[in-house]
Amino acid sequence: EIQMTQSPSSLSASVGDTVTVTCRASQGVNNYLAWHQQKSGEPPKLLLYAASRLETGVPSRFSASGSGSEYTLTITTLQAEDVATYYCQQYYSIPWTFGQGTKVEIK
Amino acid sequence: VQLVESGGTVVRPGGSLRLSCKASGFTFNIYWLSWVRQAPGKGLEWVANIGKDGSEQFYADSVKGRFTISRDNAKNSVFLQMNSLRVEDTAVYYCAREVGATDRWGLGTRVTVSS
Repeated sequence: EIQMTQSPSSLSASVGDTVTVTCRASQGVNNYLAWHQQKSGEPPKLLLYAASRLETGVPSRFSASGSGSEYTLTITTLQAEDVATYYCQQYYSIPWTFGQGTKVEIK
Repeated sequence: VQLVESGGTVVRPGGSLRLSCKASGFTFNIYWLSWVRQAPGKGLEWVANIGKDGSEQFYADSVKGRFTISRDNAKNSVFLQMNSLRVEDTAVYYCAREVGATDRWGLGTRVTVSS
């Protein structure tokens, strides 16, 4: 099983800031890496897939990059509506696994 | 695209439960489907998935031998039969569509295993 480790577990930033979340896999996942956003009381929502491809309808302030076993999610110009928990997910090898989540709050 | 789960309830340890997920808004039989759960206050855990025609199924070790995923393409539905339920199976269970990545999620159905 591929273990996914996110950092930080939580962060607090101001509106307009740029925030970065890191996801590290216990082995390479060949860019089969997705990022999901989950707001309180809601189901998750896919933001990006294939390491860096933006899902249709997702604002362009969300971006992601990485390769091998290290990936990052970047939110530029943080908005109040971006308050949520963000999860990375590998879909390279079953069982699919998720990071533990990064909670993003507004300062 | 809509995925609507049902069947969640309170059940005793050792009991059984069958969750259902009704899909609409897309061509159901060309997609893999999965169940993902989230225990209270915890992160996401993939549970199982099933291939387009139902001939392939994969499970998390935590549920293998107790849970069975199935689908009925004529009814655009996917199911999760859960047997020998444990307290640690308590969670919101999400039905999800896969295109490689998990790209659509249902609203979830809550399962509570408690005596």
